[in-house]
Amino acid sequence: DTGVSQDPRHKITKRGQNVTFRCDPISEHNRLYWYRQTLGQGPEFLTYFQNEAQLEKSRLLSDRFSAERPKGSFSTLEIQRTEQGDSAMYLCASNPGQGGSTEAFFGQGTRLTVV
Amino acid sequence: AQSVTQLGSHVSVSEGALVLLRCNYSSSVPPYLFWYVQYPNQGLQLLLKYTSAATLVKGINGFEAEFKKSETSFHLTKPSAHMSDAAEYFCAVSPGTASKLTFGTGTRLQVTL
Repeated sequence: DTGVSQDPRHKITKRGQNVTFRCDPISEHNRLYWYRQTLGQGPEFLTYFQNEAQLEKSRLLSDRFSAERPKGSFSTLEIQRTEQGDSAMYLCASNPGQGGSTEAFFGQGTRLTVV
Repeated sequence: AQSVTQLGSHVSVSEGALVLLRCNYSSSVPPYLFWYVQYPNQGLQLLLKYTSAATLVKGINGFEAEFKKSETSFHLTKPSAHMSDAAEYFCAVSPGTASKLTFGTGTRLQVTL
């Protein structure tokens, strides 16, 4: 297993366009998290899934953002009508879930630039 | 609610000198505490974690941290800095296993010759 994989690594888009990012967690990890990290800041929690169920969403996740994990494996994060303020690194992490490791394993992130 | 405060956004040390990165936390429940390291344009790598066992935690690359409940602190130390330690370091807190993390704003460590 090569760890958490995110695609693409970099995305440049024009303001107003829609973008979608993909995250493949470590196999058999039940929990999957999305974080956003802006320049000079720590990652901020956006949402998380337990299998296919989205259990929590941050107030940071406006109605332009939607995340899915349809089969409880990979997840997608879509941003509609992108704004310059959406420019950030989007990080995905996974964890085995309750009773498993306390550690969250992070992917390398997708850096979004909105021009 | 939980929060983390990292004192000092930038720390500079000489190679071979002691590294001390400060982290204070706030938590309404017994916390789980973590230190992560991030290299440019990379994700986060776990250095070490405190999960209510031993208060002195040893991690990778010679780093360690001590949980002090009375001071609500979890400072990261390394006896002797190496050039390869230059990176961004984040302290994080969570309320339990497999829970979301709340991060501090990070400390950029610079190591000079």
